[in-house]
Amino acid sequence: EPEVTQTPSHQVTQMGQEVILRCVPISNHLYFYWYRQILGQKVEFLVSFYNNEISEKSEIFDDQFSVERPDGSNFTLKIRSTKLEDSAMYFCASSDPGSIFQETQYFGPGTRLLVL
Amino acid sequence: DAKTTQPPSMDCAEGRAANLPCNHSTISGNEYVYWYRQIHSQGPQYIIHGLKNNETNEMASLIITEDRKSSTLILPHATLRDTAVYYCIVRVFNNAGNMLTFGGGTRLMVKP
Repeated sequence: EPEVTQTPSHQVTQMGQEVILRCVPISNHLYFYWYRQILGQKVEFLVSFYNNEISEKSEIFDDQFSVERPDGSNFTLKIRSTKLEDSAMYFCASSDPGSIFQETQYFGPGTRLLVL
Repeated sequence: DAKTTQPPSMDCAEGRAANLPCNHSTISGNEYVYWYRQIHSQGPQYIIHGLKNNETNEMASLIITEDRKSSTLILPHATLRDTAVYYCIVRVFNNAGNMLTFGGGTRLMVKP
Protein backbone atom coordinates (compact mmCIF):
# COMPACT_ATOMS: atom_id res chain seq x y z
CA GLU A 1 0.00 0.00 0.00
CA PRO A 2 1.47 3.40 -0.95
CA GLU A 3 2.47 5.61 1.93
CA VAL A 4 3.94 8.99 2.71
CA THR A 5 7.53 8.84 3.89
CA GLN A 6 9.51 11.44 5.81
CA THR A 7 13.18 11.97 6.55
CA PRO A 8 14.86 12.27 8.91
CA SER A 9 12.81 10.64 11.64
CA HIS A 10 14.63 12.75 14.26
CA GLN A 11 16.57 15.99 13.93
CA VAL A 12 18.43 17.90 16.61
CA THR A 13 19.61 21.41 15.79
CA GLN A 14 20.92 24.51 17.47
CA MET A 15 18.76 27.58 17.79
CA GLY A 16 19.24 29.86 14.80
CA GLN A 17 20.21 27.09 12.43
CA GLU A 18 18.33 26.23 9.26
CA VAL A 19 16.65 22.87 8.92
CA ILE A 20 15.04 21.15 5.97
CA LEU A 21 12.48 18.44 6.56
CA ARG A 22 11.81 16.13 3.67
CA CYS A 23 8.76 14.24 2.56
CA VAL A 24 7.96 11.92 -0.30
CA PRO A 25 4.19 12.07 -0.88
CA ILE A 26 2.18 9.25 -2.41
CA SER A 27 3.15 9.22 -6.06
CA ASN A 28 -0.11 10.15 -7.80
CA HIS A 29 -1.19 12.74 -5.23
CA LEU A 30 -1.49 16.38 -6.13
CA TYR A 31 -1.98 18.21 -2.83
CA PHE A 32 0.66 18.35 -0.15
CA TYR A 33 0.51 19.52 3.43
CA TRP A 34 2.60 20.17 6.49
CA TYR A 35 1.25 19.95 10.02
CA ARG A 36 3.02 20.11 13.34
CA GLN A 37 2.33 18.85 16.84
CA ILE A 38 4.08 20.32 19.84
CA LEU A 39 4.48 17.71 22.57
CA GLY A 40 1.20 17.20 24.40
CA GLN A 41 -0.73 19.58 22.15
CA LYS A 42 -3.07 19.33 19.16
CA VAL A 43 -2.05 18.67 15.59
CA GLU A 44 -1.86 22.07 13.87
CA PHE A 45 -2.06 22.88 10.18
CA LEU A 46 0.86 24.81 8.70
CA VAL A 47 0.48 24.93 4.93
CA SER A 48 -0.99 23.28 1.88
CA PHE A 49 0.62 23.23 -1.56
CA TYR A 50 -0.77 22.55 -5.01
CA ASN A 51 0.51 23.14 -8.51
CA ASN A 52 3.78 24.57 -7.22
CA GLU A 53 2.24 27.20 -5.05
CA ILE A 54 0.83 27.59 -1.57
CA SER A 55 -2.93 27.04 -1.42
CA GLU A 56 -3.48 27.94 2.19
CA LYS A 57 -1.34 28.70 5.20
CA SER A 58 -1.91 29.24 8.88
CA GLU A 59 -0.73 32.05 11.14
CA ILE A 60 2.06 29.77 12.33
CA PHE A 61 3.54 29.65 8.83
CA ASP A 62 5.42 32.93 8.95
CA ASP A 63 8.42 34.17 6.97
CA GLN A 64 10.70 31.72 8.77
CA PHE A 65 9.00 28.86 6.96
CA SER A 66 9.03 27.93 3.31
CA VAL A 67 7.97 24.94 1.26
CA GLU A 68 9.22 23.61 -2.01
CA ARG A 69 8.71 20.74 -4.40
CA PRO A 70 12.23 20.61 -5.84
CA ASP A 71 11.56 17.63 -8.09
CA GLY A 72 8.76 15.26 -9.02
CA SER A 73 8.85 13.31 -5.81
CA ASN A 74 10.05 15.37 -2.84
CA PHE A 75 8.24 18.02 -0.83
CA THR A 76 10.26 19.98 1.70
CA LEU A 77 9.67 22.27 4.65
CA LYS A 78 12.47 24.71 5.46
CA ILE A 79 12.77 26.58 8.72
CA ARG A 80 15.32 29.34 8.17
CA SER A 81 16.34 30.24 11.69
CA THR A 82 15.00 27.79 14.21
CA LYS A 83 13.66 28.85 17.57
CA LEU A 84 13.18 26.82 20.70
CA GLU A 85 9.43 26.87 20.16
CA ASP A 86 9.82 25.16 16.78
CA SER A 87 10.52 21.92 18.63
CA ALA A 88 7.71 19.61 17.58
CA MET A 89 6.69 16.65 15.46
CA TYR A 90 6.26 17.71 11.86
CA PHE A 91 3.88 15.68 9.73
CA CYS A 92 3.67 15.71 5.98
CA ALA A 93 0.44 14.66 4.27
CA SER A 94 -0.75 14.26 0.71
CA SER A 95 -4.07 13.81 -1.03
CA ASP A 96 -5.56 13.08 -4.41
CA PRO A 97 -8.73 15.09 -4.99
CA GLY A 98 -9.61 12.87 -7.91
CA SER A 99 -9.82 9.75 -5.81
CA ILE A 100 -13.02 8.07 -4.75
CA PHE A 101 -12.18 9.07 -1.21
CA GLN A 102 -13.01 12.67 -1.94
CA GLU A 103 -9.78 14.24 -0.86
CA THR A 104 -8.59 12.20 2.03
CA GLN A 105 -5.29 13.28 3.45
CA TYR A 106 -2.75 10.58 4.21
CA PHE A 107 -0.07 11.36 6.74
CA GLY A 108 3.56 10.37 7.04
CA PRO A 109 5.19 9.10 10.25
CA GLY A 110 6.60 12.49 11.15
CA THR A 111 9.95 14.11 11.89
CA ARG A 112 10.70 14.92 15.49
CA LEU A 113 12.57 18.24 15.59
CA LEU A 114 14.37 19.30 18.72
CA VAL A 115 15.84 22.80 18.86
CA LEU A 116 18.45 23.36 21.57
CA ASP B 1 -15.62 24.06 9.28
CA ALA B 2 -18.08 23.08 12.01
CA LYS B 3 -16.86 22.56 15.55
CA THR B 4 -16.95 19.08 17.09
CA THR B 5 -17.23 17.88 20.68
CA GLN B 6 -15.83 14.56 21.86
CA PRO B 7 -15.37 13.01 25.29
CA PRO B 8 -11.72 13.34 26.34
CA SER B 9 -11.27 9.67 27.17
CA MET B 10 -12.94 6.27 27.04
CA ASP B 11 -12.09 2.73 28.01
CA CYS B 12 -13.04 -0.43 26.16
CA ALA B 13 -12.46 -4.10 26.87
CA GLU B 14 -10.46 -6.01 24.29
CA GLY B 15 -12.74 -7.85 21.89
CA ARG B 16 -15.72 -5.66 22.62
CA ALA B 17 -17.11 -2.96 20.39
CA ALA B 18 -15.79 0.55 20.96
CA ASN B 19 -18.37 3.26 20.33
CA LEU B 20 -16.88 6.74 20.08
CA PRO B 21 -19.37 9.60 19.98
CA CYS B 22 -19.00 12.99 18.35
CA ASN B 23 -21.27 15.98 18.50
CA HIS B 24 -21.31 18.37 15.55
CA SER B 25 -24.56 20.24 16.03
CA THR B 26 -23.56 23.17 13.77
CA ILE B 27 -22.71 21.01 10.76
CA SER B 28 -23.68 22.39 7.37
CA GLY B 29 -25.29 20.47 4.55
CA ASN B 30 -22.08 20.27 2.51
CA GLU B 31 -19.82 19.19 5.36
CA TYR B 32 -18.54 15.66 5.72
CA VAL B 33 -17.65 13.91 8.96
CA TYR B 34 -14.12 12.48 8.93
CA TRP B 35 -12.50 10.27 11.52
CA TYR B 36 -8.75 9.96 12.04
CA ARG B 37 -6.75 8.38 14.80
CA GLN B 38 -3.25 8.90 16.14
CA ILE B 39 -1.39 6.08 17.78
CA HIS B 40 1.24 7.35 20.22
CA SER B 41 2.63 10.34 18.30
CA GLN B 42 2.59 8.57 14.96
CA GLY B 43 1.09 10.38 11.98
CA PRO B 44 -2.71 10.67 12.01
CA GLN B 45 -4.32 7.73 10.25
CA TYR B 46 -7.47 8.07 8.18
CA ILE B 47 -10.28 5.78 9.29
CA ILE B 48 -13.53 6.64 7.56
CA HIS B 49 -15.74 9.49 6.46
CA GLY B 50 -19.38 10.08 5.56
CA LEU B 51 -21.96 12.69 4.63
CA LYS B 52 -25.32 11.39 5.82
CA ASN B 53 -25.51 7.67 5.19
CA ASN B 54 -23.92 5.15 7.47
CA GLU B 55 -20.57 3.92 6.20
CA THR B 56 -18.51 0.81 6.82
CA ASN B 57 -15.03 -0.21 5.79
CA GLU B 58 -12.47 -2.75 6.93
CA MET B 59 -11.52 -0.63 9.92
CA ALA B 60 -14.76 0.74 11.31
CA SER B 61 -18.38 1.78 10.90
CA LEU B 62 -19.67 5.32 10.99
CA ILE B 63 -23.21 5.97 12.14
CA ILE B 64 -24.54 9.47 11.46
CA THR B 65 -27.84 10.56 13.00
CA GLU B 66 -30.65 11.57 10.70
CA ASP B 67 -30.31 15.24 11.64
CA ARG B 68 -26.51 14.94 11.15
CA LYS B 69 -25.83 16.68 14.43
CA SER B 70 -23.92 13.76 15.87
CA SER B 71 -22.14 10.60 14.83
CA THR B 72 -20.61 7.48 16.32
CA LEU B 73 -17.50 5.67 15.21
CA ILE B 74 -17.71 1.95 15.92
CA LEU B 75 -14.72 -0.34 16.15
CA PRO B 76 -16.52 -3.69 16.15
CA HIS B 77 -13.91 -5.79 17.94
CA ALA B 78 -11.39 -3.54 19.62
CA THR B 79 -7.85 -4.80 20.04
CA LEU B 80 -4.97 -3.45 22.11
CA ARG B 81 -3.58 -1.93 18.91
CA ASP B 82 -6.66 0.28 18.67
CA THR B 83 -5.49 2.24 21.71
CA ALA B 84 -5.11 5.73 20.28
CA VAL B 85 -6.52 9.25 20.18
CA TYR B 86 -9.52 9.40 17.85
CA TYR B 87 -10.37 12.65 16.11
CA CYS B 88 -13.76 13.57 14.67
CA ILE B 89 -13.37 16.33 12.07
CA VAL B 90 -16.06 18.07 10.06
CA ARG B 91 -15.08 19.66 6.77
CA VAL B 92 -16.53 20.72 3.47
CA PHE B 93 -16.89 18.07 0.81
CA ASN B 94 -13.96 17.90 -1.59
CA ASN B 95 -12.46 21.02 -0.15
CA ALA B 96 -9.10 19.97 -1.48
CA GLY B 97 -6.11 21.87 -0.32
CA ASN B 98 -7.76 23.04 2.85
CA MET B 99 -6.70 22.11 6.29
CA LEU B 100 -7.93 19.50 8.68
CA THR B 101 -8.67 21.07 12.05
CA PHE B 102 -7.81 18.67 14.83
CA GLY B 103 -9.40 19.07 18.23
CA GLY B 104 -8.46 17.26 21.39
CA GLY B 105 -10.04 14.00 20.29
CA THR B 106 -10.99 11.02 22.44
CA ARG B 107 -8.23 8.98 24.02
CA LEU B 108 -9.40 5.38 23.72
CA MET B 109 -7.75 2.89 26.01
CA VAL B 110 -8.39 -0.74 25.09
CA LYS B 111 -7.80 -2.96 28.10
CA PRO B 112 -7.14 -6.71 28.23
